[in-house]
Amino acid sequence: EVQLVQSGAEVKKPGESLKISCKASGYSFTSYWIAWVRQMPGKGLEWMGMIYPGDFDTRYSPSFQGQVTISADKSTSTGYLQWSSLKASDTAMYYCGRRYYNNTIDAFDIWGLGTRVIVSS
Amino acid sequence: DIVMTQTPLSLSVTPGQPASISCKSSQRLLHSNGRTYLFWFLQRPRQPPQLLIYEVSNRFSGVPERFSGSGSGTDFTLKISRVEAEDVGVYYCMQSVQLPYAFGQGTKLEIK
Repeated sequence: EVQLVQSGAEVKKPGESLKISCKASGYSFTSYWIAWVRQMPGKGLEWMGMIYPGDFDTRYSPSFQGQVTISADKSTSTGYLQWSSLKASDTAMYYCGRRYYNNTIDAFDIWGLGTRVIVSS
Repeated sequence: DIVMTQTPLSLSVTPGQPASISCKSSQRLLHSNGRTYLFWFLQRPRQPPQLLIYEVSNRFSGVPERFSGSGSGTDFTLKISRVEAEDVGVYYCMQSVQLPYAFGQGTKLEIK
């Protein structure tokens, strides 16, 4: 079964660092992009960026470039999203999703359940 | 950047009645490979988004036939032929033809 299992909820203080994870299983991790999406409380979905684990090619939305770092570990089939210095405005739910493609489909087909991040002093 | 605009932002529908959501993009979503990268997702309460429609009009695996997508260029539509209680949630269109990828604002579907 294809799955993306995300790490658990986090409560952090402003200025702290954080790395959340998205562990893939059931498919070839290095063959498909992994994307990250933010959902602030009561708001819509925002595309943050994505990484191709095969060669670590990473693309960011300009809105998030420099604010977060997207990475991956082939050895554990895990994608990561990290912050070096959290702000209260980073409080949100974060989802990872797989971009699957073949001759007939090219779509973000599978999503993790999300990681809730709360940043509060 | 491509901007995705959905209308309406909320919808209240009687079970068994149809529903329609519009999504307009600020640029054409046709890729040079001939594919149009417009998708529809449903996010049920307290759940992650789930793919309904890919490349304008293709239902994803397991998606009921009452869901259909259409459109071209910059204008796209998601239709539900007969709304059921389980269709409650927020519907998002999304483009992935050009970076940064982008979602519409979302359309909240409620049952009357």
